[in-house]
Amino acid sequence: GGIITQTPKFLIGQEGQKLTLKCQQNFNHDTMYWYRQDSGKGLRLIYYSITENDLQKGDLSEGYDASREKKSSFSLTVTSAQKNEMAVFLCASSTRLGSQNTLYFGAGTRLSVL
Amino acid sequence: QQKVQQSPESLIVPEGGMASLNCTSSDRNVDYFWWYRQHSGKSPKMLMSIFSNGEKEEGRFTVHLNKASLHTSLHIRDSQPSDSALYLCAASRNNYAQGLTFGLGTRVSVFP
Repeated sequence: GGIITQTPKFLIGQEGQKLTLKCQQNFNHDTMYWYRQDSGKGLRLIYYSITENDLQKGDLSEGYDASREKKSSFSLTVTSAQKNEMAVFLCASSTRLGSQNTLYFGAGTRLSVL
Repeated sequence: QQKVQQSPESLIVPEGGMASLNCTSSDRNVDYFWWYRQHSGKSPKMLMSIFSNGEKEEGRFTVHLNKASLHTSLHIRDSQPSDSALYLCAASRNNYAQGLTFGLGTRVSVFP
């Protein structure tokens, strides 16, 4: 088995601030993802990466940057936090074995912007 | 427009009852369907997947898939309070890493 570790668990920011969320996985998975979840609703894909140094935009990439400098880690930056924004950011990883690949999720980073 | 539509939005089921959840994709290029379960305050975990037409059963959970209509359903029999959660349907295309497109979810509440 493996684990996905997201830091921090809680993040409180100020409007306009640049905020960075980190994710580490020890599954040795090639592919990693960042999803955003609002208020107990479905997940929207922000960025994904199929290998080290690769970045692909998802449906919600505007306002975010990402970085995959190592196979095991994937970070997400909120370039300018929006006032009253509240969401959970979920990191996930999967193997590269075709499309029949289960996503494994981390516990999430809960963001609140004052 | 949501590419993966789930219904109903919420469902209240008595303990021991049957819960039936529906999911349809509007993307005709999808090949695979997944059901994830997310308990309150936790991360989603894969519950079941189905890739070909027909039915698949695992314990109290059964999924159906009709690829022609891009419709899948999840049925939970003998529902337990521990089944209370957000159930997320997801679909993926036949390429190896685009990830999953999720629906908004169905919130299931099982009362004793």
